[in-house]
Amino acid sequence: EIVLTQSPGTLSLSPGERATLSCRASQSVSGSQLAWYQQTPGQAPRLLIYGTSSRATGIPNRFSGSASGTDFTLTISRLEPEDFAVYYCQQYGSSPRGLTFGGGTKVEIK
Amino acid sequence: EVQLVQSGAEVKKPGESLKISCKGSAYSFTNSWIGWVRQMPEKGLEWMGVIYPDDSDTRYSPSFQGQVTISADKSISTAYLQWSSLKASDTAMYYCVRQDGSAWFSDYWGQGTLVTVSS
Repeated sequence: EIVLTQSPGTLSLSPGERATLSCRASQSVSGSQLAWYQQTPGQAPRLLIYGTSSRATGIPNRFSGSASGTDFTLTISRLEPEDFAVYYCQQYGSSPRGLTFGGGTKVEIK
Repeated sequence: EVQLVQSGAEVKKPGESLKISCKGSAYSFTNSWIGWVRQMPEKGLEWMGVIYPDDSDTRYSPSFQGQVTISADKSISTAYLQWSSLKASDTAMYYCVRQDGSAWFSDYWGQGTLVTVSS
């Protein structure tokens, strides 16, 4: 099983600042198959990024994803008030039995 | 617009059985994998398993194999998650998700069903 470790656990930033969230995989992720989801309080998660760097439909371009080896990054270029939420990464490989999520990073207002 | 509408919150006692549902609309329910995700109180997301409604091919995460049953009725575009004997540790929010047609990420999520198991 691929373990995903997200850091930091909590990120305290102000609106307008840049947010950089990390997701480290315990082994190589097949075909760059990593997604990011956003969950605001009391809501279901929603898909932000898939395939490491492709934005889902309707996701603003201030959200971007990248990777270097087994290190994946979600960047929010300028935080809007609605971006303060919890973010989860997920690797989804070639088999649905082995899908795993990271533990999440909370982006809170400083 | 693709929608996944889940059944309402449930309060059950330990040992009771339960079946929650997820109805899909505005897409080909039969030909799209539907999955389930658990979120325990104040915790992260856990992948449970998926089903392909057309032939009921079901794949479980090893952590949930034998603990729950995933099923679907394609005639009414509805997927199910069921327990035969609930435990207090099953208390959680459960989300159904649609898997993208090309890969195993979840492009649409239901609103969630809160299951509370308490004596």
